[in-house]
Formats: sequence, C-alpha cells, structure tokens
Amino acid sequence: NAGVTQTPKFRILKIGQSMTLQCAQDMNHNYMYWYRQDPGMGLKLIYYSVGAGITDKGEVPNGYNVSRSTTEDFPLRLELAAPSQTSVYFCASRGTGNSYGYTFGSGTRLTVV
Amino acid sequence: GDSVTQMEGPVTLSEEAFLTINCTYTATGYPSLFWYVQYPGEGLQLLLKATKADDKGSNKGFEATYRKETTSFHLEKGSVQVSDSAVYFCALSGDQGAQKLVFGQGTRLTINP
Repeated sequence: NAGVTQTPKFRILKIGQSMTLQCAQDMNHNYMYWYRQDPGMGLKLIYYSVGAGITDKGEVPNGYNVSRSTTEDFPLRLELAAPSQTSVYFCASRGTGNSYGYTFGSGTRLTVV
Repeated sequence: GDSVTQMEGPVTLSEEAFLTINCTYTATGYPSLFWYVQYPGEGLQLLLKATKADDKGSNKGFEATYRKETTSFHLEKGSVQVSDSAVYFCALSGDQGAQKLVFGQGTRLTINP
C-alpha cells in the first residue's frame, strides 16, 4: 500500500545506546519530516528535508541526526540515547504539487531506560 | 514564530452532545489550517482543512471555519458519537518554504454512551 512506512513500531533502548528509526515513502514526495510527540503535548518538528541531499533542523534537533540520500528514505539517528528522548516519533511526507497532502506514518514508540 | 493554541483537555461529553474545540493561531502571511485526529495507538489522520480566510472545512460531520479576523479555526460537531473519542490536533502550515506543520498541544475527547 502506498504511504509512509516506519520501522520499528516499538523499541526499548538503554541510556547511551544508538539506533536508527527508519522512514520510507513510495509516493515520490520531495518533502519529509520527523516529529516527536510527548505525552499531553503536540507534535514538535525535529528535522525536515525538502529533497534528496537537503536537510534542515526543526524546533528540537538536539540529540538527533538525519540523512536523505534518496527521495524515498529519511532515517532518523539517535547517537547517545537519553531518557528525555522517550517519545513517540512520527515521520511524514508531502508532495510538491499538493501542498496540503501530508501523509503520516504510524509511529515508533521509543523508551529509553 | 508561528504557533497554535488549542483548548485544554480532556473533554468528556455524552453521546449526541454538541462539540466545540477552540483553536487560535499566530502566523505571518497566509497559512493553511488543519484539524488532525489520532485514534488510540494510531498515527495522525487529516480530518479537515481550510486554505484561505472564510473557507469552511468539513468531514464526517465535523466543521471548522477559517476566521482571519479572530485568528481562529474552531472545530464543531452537532452530535458526537462514541466512535469520535480520540485526540484532536489543530495545526497550521505556513505559505512559504518547506511549509512545515505547527501543531497545537492536542485535546483528548471522550464520548460516553
């Protein structure tokens, strides 16, 4: 099915470990975004990309890195996990021609202990 | 920067009651406005949108009107159902650049039979 696919759905990390959250879309969308959702809060933008090879920081980028080597993939890297990174992470994409067609993935629930 | 403020939750109503969830925004230019819904354990789904002043978005019995004079986009439904229980997010997208979504903090709605 067309859409945004996130893996894994759940993960528990120990403090100091690293991991990569995967995000892939098959709609040929240029714009991709990573958000985090903390309990009782709205979504906050971590990083975004306007096309392959171009990334930029959002509102809360500290502790994260991204890359965009292809149009389809936009992985989010946590290098040294901290308890403050316990959250639900959502990836989204949007096409250039349809400015309002954001598509969200189903999320990755990450717990850092 | 751009921001969205929405009604504090949680909100609990009886089935068939009238629903209003308030949302106001601060933005430069001419943003687009959205309501997203998140059902338990799922990602975000677009509920409705409005792209210019005085536009009314509607879907599944929900409505919201883009009011530029009051910078508001309140969500309404005339008769709620138990299946409407979810978290509702108001969001805006700027009209320039990467058009990143900026979210309100979310309002949890519970409908009792």
